Amino acid sequence: AQKITQTQPGMFVQEKEAVTLDCTYDTSDPSYGLFWYKQPSSGEMIFLIYQGSYDQQNATEGRYSLNFQKARKSANLVISASQLGDSAMYFCAMREPGGQNFVFGPGTRLSVLP
Amino acid sequence: DSGVTQTPKHLITATGQRVTLRCSPRSGDLSVYWYQQSLDQGLQFLIQYYNGEERAKGNILERFSAQQFPDLHSELNLSSLELGDSALYFCASSVGGTTNTGELFFGEGSRLTVL
Repeated sequence: AQKITQTQPGMFVQEKEAVTLDCTYDTSDPSYGLFWYKQPSSGEMIFLIYQGSYDQQNATEGRYSLNFQKARKSANLVISASQLGDSAMYFCAMREPGGQNFVFGPGTRLSVLP
Repeated sequence: DSGVTQTPKHLITATGQRVTLRCSPRSGDLSVYWYQQSLDQGLQFLIQYYNGEERAKGNILERFSAQQFPDLHSELNLSSLELGDSALYFCASSVGGTTNTGELFFGEGSRLTVL
């Protein structure tokens, strides 16, 4: 069964606008971590933001914030004030402590338009 | 710099050949993961090692094998290569452990081209 779902294969956003990338997950473990990674065209995987399942506050890192809705099993990434350099693939991922691996979603390709 | 080192960065070889990809995890990380990313695809989990032992196996072909050595570096061996094996192979590391929910630190990847 798919553990991480990203329903938007591609997204467009105007420069300086905010954009939300969707992610839903499936787990029965009460303790887990949620992550977003960015992969620019150069190929490297860049860690953006982390949310722990017990964290009370939504995670924020600069222009990135994670809209964590635990009951809905949703962990959407919000990028504020988009920049051209934000154009990349974005992967949502989950880690379960008892799980055997680190599960990635299929990704969303974000294109920022000037 | 994530602290994870992968070599080689680029590799071009022919069908039927065998290659070895090497990964040195971040200092202190016990867990190593290998992922395969084909062109414009997501990350496919191949295999995970923790402190020298295989912890989990994903969709890894029988032609592929891996190991983690006592010094914690890991190697991914790909044999009888086919055109479809052309991909970006990532190694990632983390502290590991059954209670850990921390991030993975990725290497820059090894881009394999099979001609």
